[in-house]
Amino acid sequence: NAGVTQTPKFRVLKTGQSMTLLCAQDMNHEYMYWYRQDPGMGLRLIHYSVGEGTTAKGEVPDGYNVSRLKKQNFLLGLESAAPSQTSVYFCASSPASSNQPQHFGDGTRLSIL
Amino acid sequence: AQSVTQLGSHVSVSEGALVLLRCNYSSSVPPYLFWYVQYPNQGLQLLLKYTSAATLVKGINGFEAEFKKSETSFHLTKPSAHMSDAAEYFCAVTPQGTGGFKTIFGAGTRLFVKA
Repeated sequence: NAGVTQTPKFRVLKTGQSMTLLCAQDMNHEYMYWYRQDPGMGLRLIHYSVGEGTTAKGEVPDGYNVSRLKKQNFLLGLESAAPSQTSVYFCASSPASSNQPQHFGDGTRLSIL
Repeated sequence: AQSVTQLGSHVSVSEGALVLLRCNYSSSVPPYLFWYVQYPNQGLQLLLKYTSAATLVKGINGFEAEFKKSETSFHLTKPSAHMSDAAEYFCAVTPQGTGGFKTIFGAGTRLFVKA
């Protein structure tokens, strides 16, 4: 019963490097989300997707791109990493209805030097 | 704009004592309300949710929350704290008729349990 799986779990990058964070869900959820978690700020939505082939900007989208080529996968890309992007990144998924909770992965801890 | 406030970034209780974590929301129409728990190095897990049914909601691990429309509150309680309850707790709100992408999370309250 995997739920939401994120890879990698940890990564250290140098400023200017690029990378892709992977998220996979096996619950057939329509919606998927990428959040970043910083101390004292709760979770902030970066990008989200309401279905295969669709993406939209969240609260803090600058510096990130996403793709959802398959329903079960949602990728988050950093084209040119900056120290301000040091954070813990969480992927989540949910059914389409607003009364349903989100299911979270265990996070990716990313440090940008 | 909708918002959610968790009073107290840190709460400390003794083992066996009452746990009370506060959450207030601002919305003209009652939203759907959720409490999540986050253990170290893990993602958020659902504790309980309010979706316009009973105002007293029971969740996992002995937690419950009461929706009070007049106070725009959804406080989380547990009668007797256990060491394993030490974690960070997040209140979240989603406007009815929207989707999870409209969910607003509170800043979180870290619960410490003293032996």
